[in-house]
Amino acid sequence: QQQVKQSPQSLIVQKGGISIINCAYENTAFDYFPWYQQFPGKGPALLIAIRPDVSEKKEGRFTISFNKSAKQFSLHIMDSQPGDSATYFCAASRAAGNKLTFGGGTRVLVKP
Amino acid sequence: DTEVTQTPKHLVMGMTNKKSLKCEQHMGHRAMYWYKQKAKKPPELMFVYSYEKLSINESVPSRFSPECPNSSLLNLHLHALQPEDSALYLCASSLAGTGNWRSGNTIYFGEGSWLTVV
Repeated sequence: QQQVKQSPQSLIVQKGGISIINCAYENTAFDYFPWYQQFPGKGPALLIAIRPDVSEKKEGRFTISFNKSAKQFSLHIMDSQPGDSATYFCAASRAAGNKLTFGGGTRVLVKP
Repeated sequence: DTEVTQTPKHLVMGMTNKKSLKCEQHMGHRAMYWYKQKAKKPPELMFVYSYEKLSINESVPSRFSPECPNSSLLNLHLHALQPEDSALYLCASSLAGTGNWRSGNTIYFGEGSWLTVV
């Protein structure tokens, strides 16, 4: 059973555009929602994370929006750059637990 | 740069071989993990060590044997693997598995070890 659903599977955006990736979760016990960025041949790297007591978190060009009632959260990449081309994974966990549940991933291609 | 170091970066082994993957972190983290990642898929949890004790085994076949010699080191011993076990094996660590939620449970990944079973 996939507990975190991520969409779209792939995304093509022009340089300077906005990339939007959406995730929905089912387990209401989740209370920590990180996003990971993975370049080909590399391990996932933490990009940004949010807890359900805030509705939005921004770090540079990356923003997470969180809707607790809808059990949804999204990543917005503003002013997308070719260097942002990577696979992005949303994830969820209980902060007091060890298990990280990943979404299926979104391959983002930013065209120059 | 990641502070979780994995060796080797690439490993090719036969189905009758015995090999090991190694992982090291010096962030003072007390939880360490092994994940397996196939192409175009998310990482899948295999094992979790918390305070040097195995706390989670996600029903992984016994041909994979984890070992945590101390809080900084994590090994994955491989024996009699199958070609379908070829994948990227990721080590990760986090501050602690159990703790107050305010510290979060950020999991930091290494670069991974690419394993090919022939």
